[in-house]
Amino acid sequence: KAGVTQTPRYLIKTRGQQVTLSCSPISGHRSVSWYQQTPGQGLQFLFEYFSETQRNKGNFPGRFSGRQFSNSRSEMNVSTLELGDSALYLCASSLDRGWNSPLHFGNGTRLTVT
Amino acid sequence: AQSVSQHNHHVILSEAASLELGCNYSYGGTVNLFWYVQYPGQHLQLLLKYFSGDPLVKGIKGFEAEFIKSKFSFNLRKPSVQWSDTAEYFCAVKGNYGQNFVFGPGTRLSVLP
Repeated sequence: KAGVTQTPRYLIKTRGQQVTLSCSPISGHRSVSWYQQTPGQGLQFLFEYFSETQRNKGNFPGRFSGRQFSNSRSEMNVSTLELGDSALYLCASSLDRGWNSPLHFGNGTRLTVT
Repeated sequence: AQSVSQHNHHVILSEAASLELGCNYSYGGTVNLFWYVQYPGQHLQLLLKYFSGDPLVKGIKGFEAEFIKSKFSFNLRKPSVQWSDTAEYFCAVKGNYGQNFVFGPGTRLSVLP
């Protein structure tokens, strides 16, 4: 069974630009979550989608947005990029939103903002 | 709000030493607890999980963790570490009612051969 796939693996953008990251969950998984990973902050929760609806949202500015499609694939978008947005963005899928559904992570997209 | 703290930022051990990584959480309701590991250059992988029942849970690669409810702790242990255990370890908590996972800041483990 294929794991969580994130594309692209690496991105370099300049300040003010916008970026779209993509995530394909494990087949059959309906919940997709996004995290920002930085050396100083660890994993910070961005948002969670289930059945094409945002179910939870972390404490990030409105420049960060996402969506989920009917096939459970998800995208996240960051507009007006800032230097501080440089990070590894992780997507994780789970079977559902149940308490006993662990997260399965992708390899991440490393975003560098110059 | 839920939060997770991990006692050590960086732990350095020699091979065959015993390991204990601390994890404490703050949450008022029923929690489900997880340890994830991130090997260099790899994605985060689930090491073990606790939902209910026996507070001592065993995971992959010889790891185990003990849930102590009175101390709000879920410490990770391994009797004898190997060089291949060098990685970053994350403790995480999730509530029972649709809350998202909350991760600790991580502990970097370096095992010297």
